[in-house]
Amino acid sequence: AQKITQTQPGMFVQEKEAVTLDCTYDTSDPSYGLFWYKQPSSGEMIFLIYQGSYDQQNATEGRYSLNFQKARKSANLVISASQLGDSAMYFCAMREGEANTDKLIFGTGTRLQVFP
Amino acid sequence: NAGVTQTPKFRVLKTGQSMTLLCAQDMNHEYMYWYRQDPGMGLRLIHYSVGEGTTAKGEVPDGYNVSRLKKQNFLLGLESAAPSQTSVYFCASSSLLLAGVPTGELFFGEGSRLTVL
Repeated sequence: AQKITQTQPGMFVQEKEAVTLDCTYDTSDPSYGLFWYKQPSSGEMIFLIYQGSYDQQNATEGRYSLNFQKARKSANLVISASQLGDSAMYFCAMREGEANTDKLIFGTGTRLQVFP
Repeated sequence: NAGVTQTPKFRVLKTGQSMTLLCAQDMNHEYMYWYRQDPGMGLRLIHYSVGEGTTAKGEVPDGYNVSRLKKQNFLLGLESAAPSQTSVYFCASSSLLLAGVPTGELFFGEGSRLTVL
């Protein structure tokens, strides 16, 4: 079974609007971490935001926020005030258990296109 | 700051040839990883290392070998390349947790595009 599911292969959003990229995960471990990475067309992987399973508040980093709903096992990324430079692939990832290995499992990604 | 550097960036191989991808990091990170990225499949972990001299298998290890003789380097080898290994390969590194508080941020190299004919 897939551990990280991103059901939106592609999303469109108009500049300056907000957009939500969906991510659901599957784990029986009480300790885990959730991540979002951005991959622009140039190919590099850029870390955006992190949410720990025990964190009480949703993570925020500038225009990025993570809508963490633990009971529903979802960790959606919200990008506010979209910019043309936000056009990229976005990957959700999870680390299970105590992070003694720190290896991440990635979803299949969502391609976001921001139009003027 | 170099961060994580992968060489080569591009390579074309014929089926059956061997090659080694080199990953070097200058951040003194303990953990290093090799992922492959294929269309529609995200990134899948091939092998990883939690320290010098140690390696472990990831999700898709078959056909690959790795070595971590020095803390800063992590080598990925293809002994007999196959067309199914055509992919973009990413190396990443991360540091030990501090005071039990995980950040888990992986620092990625720019990727190496390998084509096997």
